[in-house]
Amino acid sequence: EVQLLESGGGLVQPGGSLRLSCAASGFTFSSYAMNWVRQAPGKGLEWVSAISGSSGSTYYADSVKGRFTISRDNSKNTLYLQMNSLRAEDTAIYYCAKDIVVIPTASDAFDLWGQGTMVTVSS
Amino acid sequence: DIQMTQSPSSLSASVGDRVTITCRASQSISSYLNWYQQKPGKAPKLLISAASSLQSEVPSRFSGSGSGTVFTLTINSLQPEDFASYYCQQSFSSPRTFGQGTKVEIK
Repeated sequence: EVQLLESGGGLVQPGGSLRLSCAASGFTFSSYAMNWVRQAPGKGLEWVSAISGSSGSTYYADSVKGRFTISRDNSKNTLYLQMNSLRAEDTAIYYCAKDIVVIPTASDAFDLWGQGTMVTVSS
Repeated sequence: DIQMTQSPSSLSASVGDRVTITCRASQSISSYLNWYQQKPGKAPKLLISAASSLQSEVPSRFSGSGSGTVFTLTINSLQPEDFASYYCQQSFSSPRTFGQGTKVEIK
């Protein structure tokens, strides 16, 4: 079955760290770029980060640049998001999303999403 | 960053109605515009890519059009399962940005 399964969310204090994982199955993981997209409670979608299929290129939203790091292990079919220096405004459901291309380009789109993992930053 | 603005933010419609949602980009994005549907408590689902390319298994009552800065998502003959939120997203440049969403509710 083609699917993405996120894990690693939870409650963390401001300034803390968390690592999210996204396990992929049912498709050739290394052939596609991958993304993280988040959604604050009751709010819209915000793209967070992307990584090319070979891990050669990474991309970040300004709101997380320097604090979050995206990576992938193609041998384990797993995507990661290391989140440091967390803030209250990082509270959201974090979705991993598969791209339709191997390198993020103008023709990309997110055609497969996980169920999401909730991250709550609060003291 | 390219700003994406959807209108309306919400609408009420009846089963069988034709619904149109508009998405405007703050600068030209050619046809690099995607549409997603999100139901409560669920992950988004890609409906349309490249402004008008319907994804497989998406019903033909959904259609997309536009280029440059103005785009539309049309749902012909609204069905009960179409009541959801809809988001546009530009893929012209990084960072990828989404519209604020349009919630389609039952009248």
